[in-house]
Amino acid sequence: DTGVSQNPRHKITKRGQNVTFRCDPISEHNRLYWYRQTLGQGPEFLTYFQNEAQLEKSRLLSDRFSAERPKGSFSTLEIQRTEQGDSAMYLCASSLGESNTEAFFGQGTRLTVV
Amino acid sequence: DAKTTQPPSMDCAEGRAANLPCNHSTISGNEYVYWYRQIHSQGPQYIIHGLKNNETNEMASLIITEDRKSSTLILPHATLRDTAVYYCIVRVYNTDKLIFGTGTRLQVFP
Repeated sequence: DTGVSQNPRHKITKRGQNVTFRCDPISEHNRLYWYRQTLGQGPEFLTYFQNEAQLEKSRLLSDRFSAERPKGSFSTLEIQRTEQGDSAMYLCASSLGESNTEAFFGQGTRLTVV
Repeated sequence: DAKTTQPPSMDCAEGRAANLPCNHSTISGNEYVYWYRQIHSQGPQYIIHGLKNNETNEMASLIITEDRKSSTLILPHATLRDTAVYYCIVRVYNTDKLIFGTGTRLQVFP
């Protein structure tokens, strides 16, 4: 499978714990994005990378959230001190990075904070 | 904020064409219209995009009005597997973030 891969697919955690999600983009794609989606809403942009550089962060990305893409390949999204409001689907996408190309999404990681 | 307006839901009979409208009256000259769909519990799937000309691919056709203030996604022969939420997105030139609205929930019935 050469699509965008996200792990784990599901995560249940207790409030206050830290969680980390991983995204493996399509291999030749140099741009990688993170989105969050809550029930009944469309995905909301969180941040994106051009290779290893984080180019933009949404105001939704509070200081408890951190994203990295250390070698310009896979990326991790960490949430510290999780809160119930963090429960959502976290989606990763990648693209070639040219202005007229589409982004391909992974299947997402569903986080439930109890 | 999303720059598009879509009806919240639509129905379509299996085998018929599904025409999903989208208004984007504030679109600028260098902004593309993208369509994605999302089947329950899956990531969004790219369908098609265009700037000002009509576009067609194996999945759908995109008709953009001459003034570019609205567009229609056409699924020529809807199947039950096309039941999904369809998002119309205006993407600013040379930026990569997609601003999703709440989309149109298309229900295809037998």
